[in-house]
Amino acid sequence: ETGVTQSPTHLIKTRGQQVTLRCSSQSGHNTVSWYQQALGQGPQFIFQYYREEENGRGNFPPRFSGLQFPNYSSELNVNALELDDSALYLCASSAGDRGNEQYFGPGTRLTVT
Amino acid sequence: GDSVTQMEGPVTLSEEAFLTINCTYTATGYPSLFWYVQYPGEGLQLLLKATKADDKGSNKGFEATYRKETTSFHLEKGSVQVSDSAVYFCALRGGYNKLIFGAGTRLAVHP
Repeated sequence: ETGVTQSPTHLIKTRGQQVTLRCSSQSGHNTVSWYQQALGQGPQFIFQYYREEENGRGNFPPRFSGLQFPNYSSELNVNALELDDSALYLCASSAGDRGNEQYFGPGTRLTVT
Repeated sequence: GDSVTQMEGPVTLSEEAFLTINCTYTATGYPSLFWYVQYPGEGLQLLLKATKADDKGSNKGFEATYRKETTSFHLEKGSVQVSDSAVYFCALRGGYNKLIFGAGTRLAVHP
């Protein structure tokens, strides 16, 4: 059984640019959640995708957007990058959109300069 | 809104010492509660969970009891090892499947 994978591992972008992060969910999981973890802080919920639809969103501006594909993999897109977007971005997958354990990937470290 | 507060770190202990990391929560109703662990350079791993009041979650020698009277879910281990050095996060499950995390507590165990 393959766990949750994320790509890339690290990347560096310049303020104002756009970035796309990718996540492959664990086999059999149809729900993907994205979290932002700033340095020294706990993860903050960005949004959740269930069966290709966004069905929950945290306190993040619209420049944070996402997609989920028919194979349940997912992308997180961030437009107009700001310095404060520098963080570890974690993806978690689960079976169903509520009440089931979330399995986390290793994360993508984004640095905005 | 829902929130989680956990003790600030770092917590520094000698091997075989007793560990307690305090966690309290604010929520409507009785959410499921979790402890996650994050080793350096890695993502989060579920350590243990409790889904209702008075439940005790346990794993790898760690324990935590869901106390609704004190809205707490303190993490304990009787004898820590160097390999337990990591950052520990307390969390609750909010609406939908959203996890709400505390700020994390760094544990350093020395031989």
